[in-house]
Amino acid sequence: SQQGEEDPQALSIQEGENATMNCSYKTSINNLQWYRQNSGRGLVHLILIRSNEREKHSGRLRVTLDTSKKSSSLLITASRAADTASYFCATYDYKLSFGAGTTVTVRA
Amino acid sequence: GAGVSQSPRYKVAKRGQDVALRCDPISGHVSLFWYQQALGQGPEFLTYFQNEAQLDKSGLPSDRFFAERPEGSVSTLKIQRTQQEDSAVYLCASSLAERSDSYQETQYFGPGTRLLVL
Repeated sequence: SQQGEEDPQALSIQEGENATMNCSYKTSINNLQWYRQNSGRGLVHLILIRSNEREKHSGRLRVTLDTSKKSSSLLITASRAADTASYFCATYDYKLSFGAGTTVTVRA
Repeated sequence: GAGVSQSPRYKVAKRGQDVALRCDPISGHVSLFWYQQALGQGPEFLTYFQNEAQLDKSGLPSDRFFAERPEGSVSTLKIQRTQQEDSAVYLCASSLAERSDSYQETQYFGPGTRLLVL
């Protein structure tokens, strides 16, 4: 069964705009990770945020974590066509439990 | 510097056939995971190896699924008497450390094997 639920299921934006997606999960976590998947490169790890962190940045990515609400968000700033992909959150308990993902389409 | 590789990349099987999917993890990686990803869904955990020991097989959906990693490197996932519901992408991932090492959480995924059972 899936641990996380992403929202929205799909997102279409113009190049240069920001994209925000949310993830909710069910149980207490050690850390939460975000992955990107496209047909060309498979599943790629983007960023990890630990349970004692509230916000983390990596390049154009910003992740927040609210353990009291059991939720996380991923913000992609200044989106590019190459950001077109499916994005998954995953909780970590030595194995990963993924949500169903958000499909992001960036229009040129 | 090779990443995780999987073969075959695509497999079409007739219902009832046995299939074997191979995973070559990153050299030196202790931990190896198999995940199953149905169309439109996120990956779901199948099984975990630490070196050659299969420490968690709680995600295997039935006894038709069997995995091994006899020498602690290459792993094979075997599905016997395939059914249409087995159609999915099978992903292999490896990580450097043992599962008890909580600071080595990054898993590196292979490209997957897309299995279609007709």
